[in-house]
Amino acid sequence: QKEVEQNSGPLSVPEGAIASLNCTYSDRGSQSFFWYRQYSGKSPELIMFIYSNGDKEDGRFTAQLNKASQYVSLLIRDSQPSDSATYLCAVTLIPDSGGGADGLTFGKGTHLIIQP
Amino acid sequence: KAGVTQTPRYLIKTRGQQVTLSCSPISGHRSVSWYQQTPGQGLQFLFEYFSETQRNKGNFPGRFSGRQFSNSRSEMNVSTLELGDSALYLCASSLSGQRNQPQHFGDGTRLSIL
Repeated sequence: QKEVEQNSGPLSVPEGAIASLNCTYSDRGSQSFFWYRQYSGKSPELIMFIYSNGDKEDGRFTAQLNKASQYVSLLIRDSQPSDSATYLCAVTLIPDSGGGADGLTFGKGTHLIIQP
Repeated sequence: KAGVTQTPRYLIKTRGQQVTLSCSPISGHRSVSWYQQTPGQGLQFLFEYFSETQRNKGNFPGRFSGRQFSNSRSEMNVSTLELGDSALYLCASSLSGQRNQPQHFGDGTRLSIL
């Protein structure tokens, strides 16, 4: 059974610092990795996605993927109070056939608090 | 460009009833997935539709069903509602049938069972 693990937090980071969020996954066949941000009472919002080993940067966000170690991380630079939310890591398995695969498997999320 | 639209936003039902939730994907998106979110279990995959066909299904009982129409709009039905079905039901759409395509979520339908 596929599992995605995240530290539930809360993770408290001072404003302007770098927030580092980590996620590990159990299925070595996992191919696509997504980070979603969810504010309280709202739906998940896509932040980043990454498919290849290494780093992918988008503004203040950097996703890092290490398939050998089966972890993916999200770095938020210059953290702002508006970044306070729950961050969900999700993975999906793409079968060799290229057809439809299982849906996204989500971790339980890390609650991030940016302290002014 | 309009996002994923889910209706209704809130529903209150009693045990034993059935409910139908609706989802309109982003224009041009053909894949629609449904998820259940609860505080205890988090986000869990229900099923995915593409070209009016259910391609994949999560580990939920047969009381949970769905369908997709030719315009990619989708409905989800839950029969014989139980207290444990109280949850936020989220619909997500993606551009193509490829599973590496990012999924974009609607605002959800919050279902409460009394």
